[in-house]
Amino acid sequence: AQKVTQAQTEISVVEKEDVTLDCVYETRDTTYYLFWYKQPPSGELVFLIRRNSFDEQNEISGRYSWNFQKSTSSFNFTITASQVVDSAVYFCALSHRGTPLVFGKGTRLSVIA
Amino acid sequence: GAGVSQSPSNKVTEKGKDVELRCDPISGHTALYWYRQSLGQGLEFLIYFQGNSAPDKSGLPSDRFSAERTGGSVSTLTIQRTQQEDSAVYLCASSLLHSGNQPQHFGDGTRLSIL
Repeated sequence: AQKVTQAQTEISVVEKEDVTLDCVYETRDTTYYLFWYKQPPSGELVFLIRRNSFDEQNEISGRYSWNFQKSTSSFNFTITASQVVDSAVYFCALSHRGTPLVFGKGTRLSVIA
Repeated sequence: GAGVSQSPSNKVTEKGKDVELRCDPISGHTALYWYRQSLGQGLEFLIYFQGNSAPDKSGLPSDRFSAERTGGSVSTLTIQRTQQEDSAVYLCASSLLHSGNQPQHFGDGTRLSIL
């Protein structure tokens, strides 16, 4: 069975603080793919990143970074020096070959000026 | 168009009526997905299409829900005899292929309210 758990329902930080959003997944397959999506107040889900299970290299893109650790089945997302525009609901998702995405319930991030 | 287009943006209807939701995927994308997002909930998978075929209909909540895709492009999600629990945002996504590793690109959704 596939499952994605985002234990943090809501997080509130002050602008310029760093924040980490947790994602823990469950799967029995050795080949799988992990995703992060951002859903701003406008509602559209925006694709942020994809990792495959064979690539554990961490990735940095501007203020965003992702830490993929197979040993703990986690794929955490860190925003450095948060900004008000980062306020959104963030979803972690998992898929395998030929399967639809399984989403976590999301973490609502509020960045306060 | 440049992105996934969904219409209408909002739909308010009375309980018992039928509704049709439309999705126009990104040009060239062969896979198309429908999800439902209820208030405070995550995204619930409904159905996906590879071309015009729907290999996985397991997520459809009841036989009141159906979907079709024609010409490998536009898809319509139909809900018959709507109930109040059908109120949600219905999201459509498309990807180049249905291969698991392809990112899905989402539309803005249709917010459905059943009175």
